[in-house]
Amino acid sequence: VQLQQSGPELEKPGASVKISCKASGYSFTGYNMNWVKQSNGKSLEWIGNIDPYYGGTSYNQKFKGKATLTVDKSSSTAYMQLKSLTSEDSAVYYCARNGSPYWYFDVWGAGTTVTVSS
Amino acid sequence: QIVLTQSPAIMSASPGEKVTMTCSASSSVSYMHWYQQKSGTSPKRWIYDTSKLASGVPARFSGSGSGTSYSLTISSMEAEDAATYYCQQWSSNPPTFGSGTKLEIK
Repeated sequence: VQLQQSGPELEKPGASVKISCKASGYSFTGYNMNWVKQSNGKSLEWIGNIDPYYGGTSYNQKFKGKATLTVDKSSSTAYMQLKSLTSEDSAVYYCARNGSPYWYFDVWGAGTTVTVSS
Repeated sequence: QIVLTQSPAIMSASPGEKVTMTCSASSSVSYMHWYQQKSGTSPKRWIYDTSKLASGVPARFSGSGSGTSYSLTISSMEAEDAATYYCQQWSSNPPTFGSGTKLEIK
């Protein structure tokens, strides 16, 4: 079971970025995919999740309008797009799965570093 | 949202010493989950459903608690246990994490 994330991104303020998380070793549609933000080695914030089977999403109110979650079932890949980037969006972003009705994250990706700088 | 407060923020222990860290929730939660994170790596599920050890976690680790008070205990500290430990709840949305306890080896 593995979640392989895309490489580091360097973006200018105001731009958008789309990062990916490719799942392997399990049934992609059988688990929700979550996204978690970690700023500068500090604590962890849940951004939201997506049910790859139905495509339904749930967002942390704090990240509504900032993050958009999608999936491509054909390639077992989840995506997160972040728009209108500011320096506050500079962070490591992890994908992590959870299986219903299990309310914890049992497998994590290695993380994608997004740096926003002019 | 439920706020999780971890204490202490930083602690150090000698090899063989017993270690206990706590996680206090602003409202009652049904379960608490714990993650271990070492520098430059992603978090790993460590203890789930309050007291169940994830695969590969040494038996010197244990978790306990209920309601608003939870703890993670190491019966005998080893050098490889040095890491940051985060608690997490999902009894209500959004799931939230504590600010972490950084455990260092003396």
